[in-house]
Amino acid sequence: SQTIHQWPATLVQPVGSPLSLECTVEGTSNPNLYWYRQAAGRGLQLLFYSVGIGQISSEVPQNLSASRPQDRQFILSSKKLLLSDSGFYLCAWSVWVNNEQFFGPGTRLTVL
Amino acid sequence: ILNVEQSPQSLHVQEGDSTNFTCSFPSSNFYALHWYRWETAKSPEALFVMTLNGDEKKKGRISATLNTKEGYSYLYIKGSQPEDSATYLCALSGADGLTFGKGTHLIIQP
Repeated sequence: SQTIHQWPATLVQPVGSPLSLECTVEGTSNPNLYWYRQAAGRGLQLLFYSVGIGQISSEVPQNLSASRPQDRQFILSSKKLLLSDSGFYLCAWSVWVNNEQFFGPGTRLTVL
Repeated sequence: ILNVEQSPQSLHVQEGDSTNFTCSFPSSNFYALHWYRWETAKSPEALFVMTLNGDEKKKGRISATLNTKEGYSYLYIKGSQPEDSATYLCALSGADGLTFGKGTHLIIQP
């Protein structure tokens, strides 16, 4: 069976510090991978998605970036965090772009 | 950008009562509609994927209908239980994946 892991579960970072959130998927090959953010009082916003190694599509301009160095690894990064980056970050995978998505446990990021 | 609207934003329901809420979306270029349940401190969990106009899906006490011509889907919960308390998200399939609504936050009161 497939499983998806995210870490860390919670993170408190000062403004201007770097960020690295990691997501890995087990039990499937060549998944579509997604990063979402839920900011306070808002819905799930798609940040990045990837259909393969090294292929990243960005949905919104921001100071975040994503990378996919391996087939089942998806990393969300920032060089300098902003207060507005606080939120709940979810990684997800799917077989096809329009199939149901399976979500990881999430990372709660607080930027102070 | 696809516009997916959910209403109401939040809902308080007495245990044992039935309830329903709505997801509205553009009816043009429809591909699929997804419903997810998101419980506090857990990950969103897929409930239904619906593709055909008139589709009805059921899982236990939860069911959903789809009208692609007028662009809406209803989610029904029969005989609400405390464990039904969650945020219910709908999402529309598009070229870049899923576009989510903001969800309906359901609270079941004992």
